[in-house]
Amino acid sequence: AQSVAQPEDQVNVAEGNPLTVKCTYSVSGNPYLFWYVQYPNRGLQFLLKYITGDNLVKGSYGFEAEFNKSQTSFHLKKPSALVSDSALYFCAVRVPRTKTGANNLFFGTGTRLTVIP
Amino acid sequence: DGGITQSPKYLFRKEGQNVTLSCEQNLNHDAMYWYRQDPGQGLRLIYYSQIVNDFQKGDIAEGYSVSREKKESFPLTVTSAQKNPTAFYLCASSVSQGAGTEAFFGQGTRLTVV
Repeated sequence: AQSVAQPEDQVNVAEGNPLTVKCTYSVSGNPYLFWYVQYPNRGLQFLLKYITGDNLVKGSYGFEAEFNKSQTSFHLKKPSALVSDSALYFCAVRVPRTKTGANNLFFGTGTRLTVIP
Repeated sequence: DGGITQSPKYLFRKEGQNVTLSCEQNLNHDAMYWYRQDPGQGLRLIYYSQIVNDFQKGDIAEGYSVSREKKESFPLTVTSAQKNPTAFYLCASSVSQGAGTEAFFGQGTRLTVV
């Protein structure tokens, strides 16, 4: 079964400091990994994805993520946090189509990032 | 502008009533999805559709129904059989159900039972 874990419900970081939001996954097969951000009472916005190739993936708004197969992790990072980065972040995993069904996204429970001025 | 439009933004339902949430996309996407979001539980898949006139149950389909009569539209009905319908509902679409394609989300509908 596919699953995604975001071990931290809340991450606080000072403005200008680097930030990391953690994500680990468990899948039977090669994973396709995604990060989304959600602002209050809004939908999810796509940030970046890992499909194959370079383990370091760059995305929107200066975010990047590193795929680590041995640690089954896909942590989201940003070198210098902004107050406007404060939001809820979701990691998601997808595996190629199985016999029974579809390529559905499985989401983690989310991590609330607060950037302190 | 291209995108996904969900309406209404807020919806109140009396116990025993059916309500329908609207989702329209003009992205020409084949696949569409409905998710439910509850605090601390992430997003859970209710229904998905890969093409017109076809849809499949997700992980928590009980008490919900959908239709896909047009490519652009994927309405969700929350029936009286759904015992705990208060939640934030998100509609999404993607180019296809290819594993590497990202989903695009609407702004959500917050449903409250009164």
